[in-house]
Amino acid sequence: DTGVSQDPRHKITKRGQNVTFRCDPISEHNRLYWYRQTLGQGPEFLTYFQNEAQLEKSRLLSDRFSAERPKGSFSTLEIQRTEQGDSAMYLCASSFGQGHHEQYFGPGTRLTVT
Amino acid sequence: AQSVTQPDIHITVSEGASLELRCNYSYGATPYLFWYVQSPGQGLQLLLKYFSGDTLVQGIKGFEAEFKRSQSSFNLRKPSVHWSDAAEYFCAVGGGTNAGKSTFGDGTTLTVKP
Repeated sequence: DTGVSQDPRHKITKRGQNVTFRCDPISEHNRLYWYRQTLGQGPEFLTYFQNEAQLEKSRLLSDRFSAERPKGSFSTLEIQRTEQGDSAMYLCASSFGQGHHEQYFGPGTRLTVT
Repeated sequence: AQSVTQPDIHITVSEGASLELRCNYSYGATPYLFWYVQSPGQGLQLLLKYFSGDTLVQGIKGFEAEFKRSQSSFNLRKPSVHWSDAAEYFCAVGGGTNAGKSTFGDGTTLTVKP
């Protein structure tokens, strides 16, 4: 069990560019979550998947954001036309089972939009 | 809607002293409650969780928390703090119809004085 991994760990991009982040969950975990964390705040829920189905999206997830989990394993989070307000830490987590269970977090991807 | 309040933004304690971090939650049903710790540049590590049963739960690194339904609280405690406990601590609530997501507080930063 290697834990949740995220790639890249850091990303610096210019305003208007597109970025894509990847998350690899713990292998037997069927649920995968994306959160966003800004300085001085706790993580804010963005979206989650159960297997390949995206079951919930936050209102924070504007049309510029899209997430996929095509085969029920890894997931990608894409941000189109990045804005300075998108600068944050993007956290991925995974869990196993139905209902609510503890989530295991990856190290995060820190995005800086210049 | 579910929410979490951590009233203390920053706490400083001396090494060896006891610690209590406060967490108040709002949730319409029986909550699932969590405490996470985050060190600089790291992801979140689960310290302990409460789902049901005994209201005093033990976690890793010598931490414990007590669920008090009447006060809507889930305070984290440690009898003797070590310098390595300096980090940011997050309380989170989840479960029920919002089974997918956790809602986090804004965290408490712990500084440990030698």
